[in-house]
Amino acid sequence: AQSVTQPDIHITVSEGASLELRCNYSYGATPYLFWYVQSPGQGLQLLLKYFSGDTLVQGIKGFEAEFKRSQSSFNLRKPSVHWSDAAEYFCAVGAKAAGNKLTFGGGTRVLVKP
Amino acid sequence: DTEVTQTPKHLVMGMTNKKSLKCEQHMGHRAMYWYKQKAKKPPELMFVYSYEKLSINESVPSRFSPECPNSSLLNLHLHALQPEDSALYLCASSSPIPGGELFFGEGSRLTVL
Repeated sequence: AQSVTQPDIHITVSEGASLELRCNYSYGATPYLFWYVQSPGQGLQLLLKYFSGDTLVQGIKGFEAEFKRSQSSFNLRKPSVHWSDAAEYFCAVGAKAAGNKLTFGGGTRVLVKP
Repeated sequence: DTEVTQTPKHLVMGMTNKKSLKCEQHMGHRAMYWYKQKAKKPPELMFVYSYEKLSINESVPSRFSPECPNSSLLNLHLHALQPEDSALYLCASSSPIPGGELFFGEGSRLTVL
């Protein structure tokens, strides 16, 4: 079965500073990997996804993520955060054998200081 | 603007009530999902419908009863719920192919008194 770990529960970053959110997954084959963002009281919005090919993927809102098979990681980065990036971020893994069943990590809450 | 619409946005019900949550999508997706999300927790999968047939039931109590009347609609019927069932219920849809991106609605926040 697949699983996802997001080691950081909270991260506080200053506006304009860079941001990196960690995600480690467990799955025997090549997984489908996703990053979603959730603002308070809202649904989840997809930031980016990795299926295959180029291991550095670009997403919306200036986010990117890098798939590293050797480290079983899919970390999310943004060079310069904006106050509007304050939200909960979820990494998720899917597997072909599991259909479209996504397993989510525990989430990382990002706080942005002015 | 979300392309998955959920109603109602908020629902308060007693433990003896019967209510339903509704979800609609017009993206032509043939897979639809119900997730439950407690405060400060990730979404947990409840049910998956693929081509209007229930394909995954994550051992959800029978007081939750899903229904997929057609390819655009997904309902979650609620009966005899418990206070611990209070949560945000998220609907999502996707292409049924493996790895299809899930599109989420904004959720229905349920409070059980």
